[in-house]
Amino acid sequence: AQSVTQLGSHVSVSEGALVLLRCNYSSSVPPYLFWYVQYPNQGLQLLLKYTSAATLVKGINGFEAEFKKSETSFHLTKPSAHMSDAAEYFCAVSDSGGYQKVTFGTGTKLQVIP
Amino acid sequence: GAVVSQHPSRVICKSGTSVKIECRSLDFQATTMFWYRQFPKKSLMLMATSNEGSKATYEQGVEKDKFLINHASLTLSTLTVTSAHPEDSSFYICSASSGQPGGEAFFGQGTRLTVV
Repeated sequence: AQSVTQLGSHVSVSEGALVLLRCNYSSSVPPYLFWYVQYPNQGLQLLLKYTSAATLVKGINGFEAEFKKSETSFHLTKPSAHMSDAAEYFCAVSDSGGYQKVTFGTGTKLQVIP
Repeated sequence: GAVVSQHPSRVICKSGTSVKIECRSLDFQATTMFWYRQFPKKSLMLMATSNEGSKATYEQGVEKDKFLINHASLTLSTLTVTSAHPEDSSFYICSASSGQPGGEAFFGQGTRLTVV
């Protein structure tokens, strides 16, 4: 069984400040890990994914995440928050054996304060 | 990335009627499609997994007779909410995958269903 835990359902940062959204995973097999962003009333957009290559993954819009096996973590970061980053972010895990049955975390709503 | 189109984006229906939601992979063959439901301020919950040409596999607690899923071709899956009730109002999202190991599942834009 796989699961992800996102710490903090709401995170507020000032514009220009560091964004850190936390995600810890549990998986009995090597995982594939994802971060998705969802804007209001829209579907999901993939920010980045880890699929057992480089542990530091760079994604779109300046986001990156580091896979740390020892900590079972895959935290999402961005050096400088923009107002347009305000959205809901979901961490997700799937079985690396390939079937893209994705299990989502509960989501973190990011608020960017001007 | 590949494009998955979900239609309609919004639908309002009367209680007791049925609603069909379509999920199409526009530029790849989707051997597997997934249907999720998102409750307000909640995460996405997997409802069912469908493979082209076979019956869908439903997650525990999902009524298969209420949420009919058909995956008749490699580019189209449909979710039909039968005899809809207000509690079925939700955001439904599909995703599609080519089934390649390490590949990505691509998500549709979602459908906001409101049952009145």
